[in-house]
Amino acid sequence: DTAVSQTPKYLVTQMGNDKSIKCEQNLGHDTMYWYKQDSKKFLKIMFSYNNKELIINETVPNRFSPKSPDKAHLNLHINSLELGDSAVYFCASSQWGAGNTIYFGEGSWLTVV
Amino acid sequence: GDSVTQMEGPVTLSEEAFLTINCTYTATGYPSLFWYVQYPGEGLQLLLKATKADDKGSNKGFEATYRKETTSFHLEKGSVQVSDSAVYFCALSLNYGGSQGNLIFGKGTKLSVKP
Repeated sequence: DTAVSQTPKYLVTQMGNDKSIKCEQNLGHDTMYWYKQDSKKFLKIMFSYNNKELIINETVPNRFSPKSPDKAHLNLHINSLELGDSAVYFCASSQWGAGNTIYFGEGSWLTVV
Repeated sequence: GDSVTQMEGPVTLSEEAFLTINCTYTATGYPSLFWYVQYPGEGLQLLLKATKADDKGSNKGFEATYRKETTSFHLEKGSVQVSDSAVYFCALSLNYGGSQGNLIFGKGTKLSVKP
């Protein structure tokens, strides 16, 4: 019973392609996130959604577009992939509120060639 | 701006050695503090957390105390095992407005424990 699940786990694609990563949580949380981990393991938030409303949108190229069809899902679509987009993308969820634990998925390893 | 600084790795220890990974932070207001662990090829797991000054978080033999006076949240374990080999991330979460849930991470410390 995976709490936060994301697919695919591994994705190798060519420059210029468009790809999507899907995320679902079964914890009943009202807030979901996308984080990016670069090749040096540095983690940074990209987006957060609370009750399907965009709350945080860090400085991310507009080629990245999140979509939240409902509170349990937050997908990430990436247009015109570039070599620099190669990274691990983590979906996460929590209940909105100070100090609440954020639960992470297992990550999606994206390699752009 | 808000930030987390943790000791650079890698850290290599023998089994049963004492572990300390230093973490200090800069933040507006009173953040919540977290330690996450990432085992090879896996996602992030919460190890422990503390939400206010002087709180001590503990789990699996690890512990860390929220020290407001020194703005620190150092991770300690009395006796490490080979299975503790992983990357450890210190993080803070701001507790106001739209910043809730925005975890600000340190750069991670890789720990290797040798038998």
